[in-house]
Amino acid sequence: NAGVMQNPRHLVRRRGQEARLRCSPMKGHSHVYWYRQLPEEGLKFMVYLQKENIIDESGMPKERFSAEFPKEGPSILRIQQVVRGDSAAYFCASSLGGSDEKLFFGSGTQLSVL
Amino acid sequence: GENVEQHPSTLSVQEGDSAVIKCTYSDSASNYFPWYKQELGKGPQLIIDIRSNVGEKKDQRIAVTLNKTAKHFSLHITETQPEDSAVYFCASFSSGSARQLTFGSGTQLTVLP
Repeated sequence: NAGVMQNPRHLVRRRGQEARLRCSPMKGHSHVYWYRQLPEEGLKFMVYLQKENIIDESGMPKERFSAEFPKEGPSILRIQQVVRGDSAAYFCASSLGGSDEKLFFGSGTQLSVL
Repeated sequence: GENVEQHPSTLSVQEGDSAVIKCTYSDSASNYFPWYKQELGKGPQLIIDIRSNVGEKKDQRIAVTLNKTAKHFSLHITETQPEDSAVYFCASFSSGSARQLTFGSGTQLTVLP
């Protein structure tokens, strides 16, 4: 019974490069959330997606950041032209959706921008 | 939007003692309140949750209480053990237009052997 799978666990990028973070939800889950965590801080909501739809992206920066959850395959969080301030842990969570609000988190991707 | 405040930011207790972490929320439309435990280098793990139609819930050594009128909820851990040491986050989920979890800033719990 696999949980939420995120890869890579660690990602190092130089300033200006692109970062792609992947998230496969738990089996049977069709709702995906992305959160960002800075050192010694709480988790900040970025975006909420269902298959092929962005439901709420109110927490995502307007520029350089995008997310998708295609019909087939994992959800992708894409950061273009990364800057040092993008260095953080990025967590994905999934849920059944509907009236079920339980979110289950993956182990995260630690992004380091040099 | 929703605002969740969590106290204390750090808490040290002796093994076997109890630990209490408190949170307040601002959005009266919030109706689901989970607690997560995060160990170093890992993702948050759901440990207990409570819905707004319930005042208290218990699971072995862990209990959560909710005062909807005052908009605050608390996590209680009894008979603490060293393996309880971690960062604990409270969160609230609004049933309104913004269906998302809003997290508190976390409490670093250290259980001293």
